[in-house]
Amino acid sequence: RKEVEQDPGPFNVPEGATVAFNCTYSNSASQSFFWYRQDCRKEPKLLMSVYSSGNEDGRFTAQLNRASQYISLLIRDSKLSDSATYLCVVNRGLRGGADGLTFGKGTHLIIQP
Amino acid sequence: EPEVTQTPSHQVTQMGQEVILRCVPISNHLYFYWYRQILGQKVEFLVSFYNNEISEKSEIFDDQFSVERPDGSNFTLKIRSTKLEDSAMYFCASSEFFGTKYFGPGTRLTVT
Repeated sequence: RKEVEQDPGPFNVPEGATVAFNCTYSNSASQSFFWYRQDCRKEPKLLMSVYSSGNEDGRFTAQLNRASQYISLLIRDSKLSDSATYLCVVNRGLRGGADGLTFGKGTHLIIQP
Repeated sequence: EPEVTQTPSHQVTQMGQEVILRCVPISNHLYFYWYRQILGQKVEFLVSFYNNEISEKSEIFDDQFSVERPDGSNFTLKIRSTKLEDSAMYFCASSEFFGTKYFGPGTRLTVT
């Protein structure tokens, strides 16, 4: 089983629509969960951390289900600038602040005018 | 806003040559990382570094790779004898304790 699995897409979505992405992870020792955004040939940038209680940041809502090892991201009222690859990321599960990250391959989102 | 910087932005080298990729992490950060991304593939963890030593490394980080913090600001990744399959984007990242990891813009390494 892949460590972090995502639907690669592409998701073609009209501007203003709501879109949802999911991912699953296999490492039950992971304690930290994130969504990163990556534009073409650029570095990953943190979009938001994901908490068990669910969290929202403007148009973005993230959810975590530890029992199912499942993470989701919802984007409401999508903008053209949301077009990017969205990376599901979990920590490797080691103790200490130097723990590395495990990335999914990403879901490619294209917002169409 | 403070940022991680990396040089060079693009490095072309011949197979078998040594390369050194350089990074300047955010100044008050304590943890440093290298990741790589082969074109079209996922971002992969290579190594983490704290208190002047390697904290964790992946199976990719073999004897051909080494890291160093030669002074108070730079963090380097050395590949001793490059192979064609080392061609990738290499990202440096830094963080405070358990903090958000900030990535640099990357160095594109092309091995010919």
